[in-house]
Amino acid sequence: QQPVQSPQAVILREGEDAVINCSSSKALYSVHWYRQKHGEAPVFLMILLKGGEQKGHEKISASFNEKKQQSSLYLTASQLSYSGTYFCGTRQKVTFGTGTKLQVIP
Amino acid sequence: DSGVTQTPKHLITATGQRVTLRCSPRSGDLSVYWYQQSLDQGLQFLIQYYNGEERAKGNILERFSAQQFPDLHSELNLSSLELGDSALYFCASSGGGREIGELFFGEGSRLTVL
Repeated sequence: QQPVQSPQAVILREGEDAVINCSSSKALYSVHWYRQKHGEAPVFLMILLKGGEQKGHEKISASFNEKKQQSSLYLTASQLSYSGTYFCGTRQKVTFGTGTKLQVIP
Repeated sequence: DSGVTQTPKHLITATGQRVTLRCSPRSGDLSVYWYQQSLDQGLQFLIQYYNGEERAKGNILERFSAQQFPDLHSELNLSSLELGDSALYFCASSGGGREIGELFFGEGSRLTVL
């Protein structure tokens, strides 16, 4: 089963913050986050590993709660370039979540 | 440029036909993954190969098959095509191993079945 993301879609004004959540029914050992702009390939943002190690993007942060099998992506002071669909992914068969469409407007 | 090359970029064919999509992973990457993305949908994992061997299988139809060759390039074969197979097919590669690192995606092959 694929992870469930929330919200499904969000519209922000430039400079606003957003949180995207990813929840799995199976145990998570690591969580990946990717952003896909329309018509383009997904691009890696971040990996969160069990134990708290985090590798990835310097302007976007995330958390990983292993016990709750959840991860959250924090976008602060959003820019127009943040627009796209965000996917979380799990280590198990690298299954991706349902996706969150984010649009940043001026 | 992710370093992953997919061909062809666009393909239009008829129902019942067979097509082959090709993927060359990043230099040094041993793992190749195939994903299907239908219009405005999520990424559906199809299959993973690691150094020539099938490593994991997702929601891949029996009409689809894949393989990874000794030079590590991979091919996804789609046969008896149906209208619903129209989608963007992505290939991704990573360093492989049990701990899956960052995935690098190709630009995708857009398949249209008429």
